[in-house]
Amino acid sequence: GAGVSQTPSNKVTEKGKYVELRCDPISGHTALYWYRQSLGQGPEFLIYFQGTGAADDSGLPNDRFFADRPEGSVSTLKIQRTERGDSAVYLCASSKAGGPTGELFFGEGSRLTVL
Amino acid sequence: AQSVAQPEDQVNVAEGNPLTVKCTYSVSGNPYLFWYVQYPNRGLQFLLKYITGDNLVKGSYGFEAEFNKSQTSFHLKKPSALVSDSALYFCAVRDSGAGSYQLTFGKGTKLSVIP
Repeated sequence: GAGVSQTPSNKVTEKGKYVELRCDPISGHTALYWYRQSLGQGPEFLIYFQGTGAADDSGLPNDRFFADRPEGSVSTLKIQRTERGDSAVYLCASSKAGGPTGELFFGEGSRLTVL
Repeated sequence: AQSVAQPEDQVNVAEGNPLTVKCTYSVSGNPYLFWYVQYPNRGLQFLLKYITGDNLVKGSYGFEAEFNKSQTSFHLKKPSALVSDSALYFCAVRDSGAGSYQLTFGKGTKLSVIP
């Protein structure tokens, strides 16, 4: 596709449930990033991948959060035992190369609401 | 650790007047600096970046930004504001001295251009 695609665009779930959020990056982009944005805040870094491997997962808040990118393209962010505090917009971005100078291209986000 | 500060939560400017959105940063190495814009219910869009060289960088939609190393600032500017410029603006930084390509964002500044 032309841009970064994220599904679902909206997800409402109950506290304690498991959630998966999918990101399909721009074709050929080797770096992929996940961010979380709460209301009135800037994007908060979660994890980034260079190819299939997680190059930096220091932003994952706890062991309920996990992400993978098994074939180096699509990535899935997985949240176990969701809590109300997990409610946010989850943003995915990709970058053409893994270097420090490249800009990120963002998807429109997946809005997660935990009731 | 790398960080970004956007000291103004909101900036109001009259249409046709020049605008400035402020950003300061903190890094241990050299900074790579970015500006993004977010329209309501849309993903973040890249505006411009500073990597090296000329301190004045030009970007999309007539925006420019000035890198000032001594003041550790990277303010976003536009000579003549349009109502359509009203949006949320985010400054972001990567540290060339860090081991990660994590991009750290500020909290954002809401720009309102008044007709």
